[in-house]
Amino acid sequence: NAGVMQNPRHLVRRRGQEARLRCSPMKGHSHVYWYRQLPEEGLKFMVYLQKENIIDESGMPKERFSAEFPKEGPSILRIQQVVRGDSAAYFCASSPRTPGGDNTKNIQYFGAGTRLSVL
Amino acid sequence: TQLLEQSPQFLSIQEGENLTVYCNSSSVFSSLQWYRQEPGEGPVLLVTVVTGGEVKKLKRLTFQFGDARKDSSLHITAAQPGDTGLYLCAGGVGRGSTLGRLYFGRGTQLTVWP
Repeated sequence: NAGVMQNPRHLVRRRGQEARLRCSPMKGHSHVYWYRQLPEEGLKFMVYLQKENIIDESGMPKERFSAEFPKEGPSILRIQQVVRGDSAAYFCASSPRTPGGDNTKNIQYFGAGTRLSVL
Repeated sequence: TQLLEQSPQFLSIQEGENLTVYCNSSSVFSSLQWYRQEPGEGPVLLVTVVTGGEVKKLKRLTFQFGDARKDSSLHITAAQPGDTGLYLCAGGVGRGSTLGRLYFGRGTQLTVWP
């Protein structure tokens, strides 16, 4: 029963390069969430996706950041032209489809994260 | 602005002691989760509470959701070194445009010495 899989675990990029972070949700989960954890800060919500749909991207920076969750394959968080301030741990979480659409419990299971370092 | 405030931020105790950590907010949540995070790893879900006044026990850990669903506490009895970690609370609104979002506190870093 594999959990949420994120890769790579560590990613080093130079300023101006692109970073692509991948997330495969738990089997049977169709909801994916991305969070960012900066040193000395809590996890901050970035984006909520379902298959082929972005549901809530209000936590994403308006520029350089994008996310997708295609019909086939993992969810991708893409950061273009990275800057030093993008250095952080990025976590993906997933949750199961809830029968009847009741999502009040909002249970989310997290991956081990991708640690992005921008030189 | 932090929606959920956790206290204390750091807690260092001896094995066998009891402790309580708190998670407070002025907002009402439809659910509240507690996670534990080890260095270099992702948060691991411990418990979810959804009903005001709800109490859940997980071995030596007792979780309580406030009657008004604005706060929660985690009590650990007879702490052990294996309990060392960062304890995070996270609240969900469960409706509207922020349906999928969890709001996290900054966490309580617990260290239990043998």
